[in-house]
Amino acid sequence: QLQLQESGPGLVKTSETLSLTCTVSGDSINSNVYFWGWVRQPPGKGLEWIGTIYYSGSTYYSPSLESRVSISVDTSKNQFSLTLSSVTAADTAVYYCARLRRQSNSWPHFDYWGQGTLVTVSS
Amino acid sequence: DIQMTQSPSTLSASVGDRVTITCRASRSISSWLAWYQQKPGKAPNLLIYKTSSLESGVPSRFSGGGSGTEFTLTISSLQPDDFATYHCLQYSSYSWTFGQGTKVEIK
Repeated sequence: QLQLQESGPGLVKTSETLSLTCTVSGDSINSNVYFWGWVRQPPGKGLEWIGTIYYSGSTYYSPSLESRVSISVDTSKNQFSLTLSSVTAADTAVYYCARLRRQSNSWPHFDYWGQGTLVTVSS
Repeated sequence: DIQMTQSPSTLSASVGDRVTITCRASRSISSWLAWYQQKPGKAPNLLIYKTSSLESGVPSRFSGGGSGTEFTLTISSLQPDDFATYHCLQYSSYSWTFGQGTKVEIK
């Protein structure tokens, strides 16, 4: 059974870098069918796409976060990671890692999510 | 960027009601629209993809429609388990945008 598990600090200081890792079990990250991504949700608000990565290393980032975001993949560990630099209180959110499924002749969409992890940014 | 406008933001309804939520895209996204259900403290759960394709295991009372810039999620007969927040997602050209969400509350 597929599982995605986020890990990383729950508290990050203002102006520092947020780093999270998603460990995938029950499926290989080395798949030409799936992409892998990060989505966040500030408390009481909607979902915001952060970025997406393919196992080959190709990345796609939200234009609003692109200058501060980096996503990488480690196929040997079946993990992918997120870094977000120069964080402020506005980056406080539940961060989800998720799988994206690409079916034939279609763009990939989110189909399976981790449980999410709350990251609080505070001085 | 493609912007997604979801309405209403909150909807009050009773068990058995037919409920419709709308998402509008700032430009055409063809049929690249998905819907998710989210319950408090939980991750979103995929209901519908490519506008009207029902994800495996999702009850048939959920249906999706539309094309281009206007899309709908309909719940034909609201059940107690359906009180939740619903999100639309456009996915095209390796760019993804969520709507603001619609909370379906008990009337």
